[in-house]
Amino acid sequence: NAGVTQTPKFQVLKTGQSMTLQCAQDMNHEYMSWYRQDPGMGLRLIHYSVGAGITDQGEVPNGYNVSRSTTEDFPLRLLSAAPSQTSVYFCASSSGTGRYEQYFGPGTRLTVT
Amino acid sequence: LAKTTQPISMDSYEGQEVNITCSHNNIATNDYITWYQQFPSQGPRFIIQGYKTKVTNEVASLFIPADRKSSTLSLPRVSLSDTAVYYCLVGYSNYQLIWGAGTKLIIKP
Repeated sequence: NAGVTQTPKFQVLKTGQSMTLQCAQDMNHEYMSWYRQDPGMGLRLIHYSVGAGITDQGEVPNGYNVSRSTTEDFPLRLLSAAPSQTSVYFCASSSGTGRYEQYFGPGTRLTVT
Repeated sequence: LAKTTQPISMDSYEGQEVNITCSHNNIATNDYITWYQQFPSQGPRFIIQGYKTKVTNEVASLFIPADRKSSTLSLPRVSLSDTAVYYCLVGYSNYQLIWGAGTKLIIKP
């Protein structure tokens, strides 16, 4: 099992560019989520999905889109990058929400100039 | 508005027991409390989870009083490798996941 994988590990974007952060899991987990972690801060939930075809907004969804066409994949799209989106992005998966252990990917470090 | 609050930092020494407390208002009957550990440049890693009273596993204990408005992570006999950031997370039954800002724990020799 690879667990949760994320690509790329590092990315530099110019303001206004768009890109997609990839996330995949091979544990057949229903629940997947995206977080951002700013330097010295905790995690903030961007979007989550409770199953293929179902997504919802978290605490900080503005500027990001997600889709869940398969159980395994949960890409995060930045529509028009802004310097405020400079952060480390973590993808996580679990068997469910709340009472279930989340497994995190290694993170993508994004810098927007 | 749900909020999870924990101390910003703590210091301790090798071999000591460390207790980190988290406050969580608006917690409801079906909501779970989970603690994660994070090392630099890594994603958080699950430590322990509880619902009420006391839970113990091979690395930690979690104490939750009857009112459930707080919880305490207890790390017995810490070592230098326990230096990390520890996060408290409340998983609400409406899919909300509210993370604390993290407690930076530094263990000294």
